[in-house]
Amino acid sequence: DTAVSQTPKYLVTQMGNDKSIKCEQNLGHDTMYWYKQDSKKFLKIMFSYNNKELIINETVPNRFSPKSPDKAHLNLHINSLELGDSAVYFCASSQELGTGNTIYFGEGSWLTVV
Amino acid sequence: KQEVTQIPAALSVPEGENLVLNCSFTDSAIYNLQWFRQDPGKGLTSLLLIQSSQREQTSGRLNASLDKSSGRSTLYIAASQPGDSATYLCALTRASGSRLTFGEGTQLTVNP
Repeated sequence: DTAVSQTPKYLVTQMGNDKSIKCEQNLGHDTMYWYKQDSKKFLKIMFSYNNKELIINETVPNRFSPKSPDKAHLNLHINSLELGDSAVYFCASSQELGTGNTIYFGEGSWLTVV
Repeated sequence: KQEVTQIPAALSVPEGENLVLNCSFTDSAIYNLQWFRQDPGKGLTSLLLIQSSQREQTSGRLNASLDKSSGRSTLYIAASQPGDSATYLCALTRASGSRLTFGEGTQLTVNP
């Protein structure tokens, strides 16, 4: 009964490929996020969606394109994968946009580009 | 630009010890601060959330404090157990939005 679930958990792919990571939350939250955790374990926000609308778009290459078909889903599509894209990608959600809300994270998707 | 630092990067203690994890930040204009736990191969679990107007929050054996003027937060773990072994991250939110800025984390090992 996972609150925020993302698939796949592990993904190994070659440079140049296109891949997607899917995320779903069953908490009824309005806001969803994608975070990237690098090798130093720093977590950095990539995107934030509120009610299917893009709110935060950090400095991320345009090879990364989020898609939110409904407010319970936020998928991340990555084109032309590069070695530097290897990282752990976390999906998260919160009740609403704005501060004061606990953020719930998925278990992460380990992406390795070879 | 907000910078969040967690010291130490790693900590190993014997079971039963009380311990403190530190988080410092450069910009005191924060709205809230959260402490998370990350287990190997797992996602993040939110432990405690402190609003800007609060000084501390408690949950079981955990107590988190916030001192905005000094740019510091601490996470106190009482009577540590091997099951507490994990990486602990603090993260801050600015008033203008829900963007979280994370520290690098402290990797805690509690030895039986």
